[in-house]
Amino acid sequence: QSVLTQPPSASGTPGQRVTISCSGSSSNIGSNTVHWYQQLPGTAPKLLIDSFNQRPSGVPDRFSGSKSGTSASLAISGLQSEDEADYYCAAWDDSLHGWVFGGGTKVTVL
Amino acid sequence: QVTLRESGPALVKPTQTLTLTCTFSGFSLTTTGMCVSWIRQPPGKALEWLARIDWDDDKYYSRSLRTRLTISKDTSKNQVVLTMTNMDPVDTATYYCTRTLNGHFDYWGQGTLVTVSS
Repeated sequence: QSVLTQPPSASGTPGQRVTISCSGSSSNIGSNTVHWYQQLPGTAPKLLIDSFNQRPSGVPDRFSGSKSGTSASLAISGLQSEDEADYYCAAWDDSLHGWVFGGGTKVTVL
Repeated sequence: QVTLRESGPALVKPTQTLTLTCTFSGFSLTTTGMCVSWIRQPPGKALEWLARIDWDDDKYYSRSLRTRLTISKDTSKNQVVLTMTNMDPVDTATYYCTRTLNGHFDYWGQGTLVTVSS
């Protein structure tokens, strides 16, 4: 059971906007920054949105992150077939003194 | 160019100790703010953070695994070593080392699959 809660799956057709939620608590998302990772099939995760809510070089601007209270969201606008992947949120947890991850969301492009 | 590479045994027996080495290049663990973390992922499951070591030798461990983990660094070799004692089949996973900077994991190794089986 992951500390951060994500929906197990999300889907959309090419060009659509897809949003992935990440729910936490006051000890993690509520008091620390959130970062997001994309994991393409069979590969290592890649940083998608950093702790400053910025996209690292090379990440398309159709990916964006937001946070409100103890929840965060990743939005993919203009969904493309190459966006089919697993997406994970993460944040530092002050109570656990370590990072916690969401359970991951598998995005399917229909 | 930042790269990280994990190395270690692909197969360990239950109760044995696992030793993994992360060899990195393109940055120095003597630079203020620089850290290296280990993260694992059981087959078909989510990511789990294990441990972190900082430039000043501060160390942080997953609360649920802290009694079994030890992280250390050799800055002269650009290596970070993770040991995990008393391995169990549930520890079967791909183990990743990552550069950790500004609170996120910005570079990842390719990962190494460790299977625990007798």
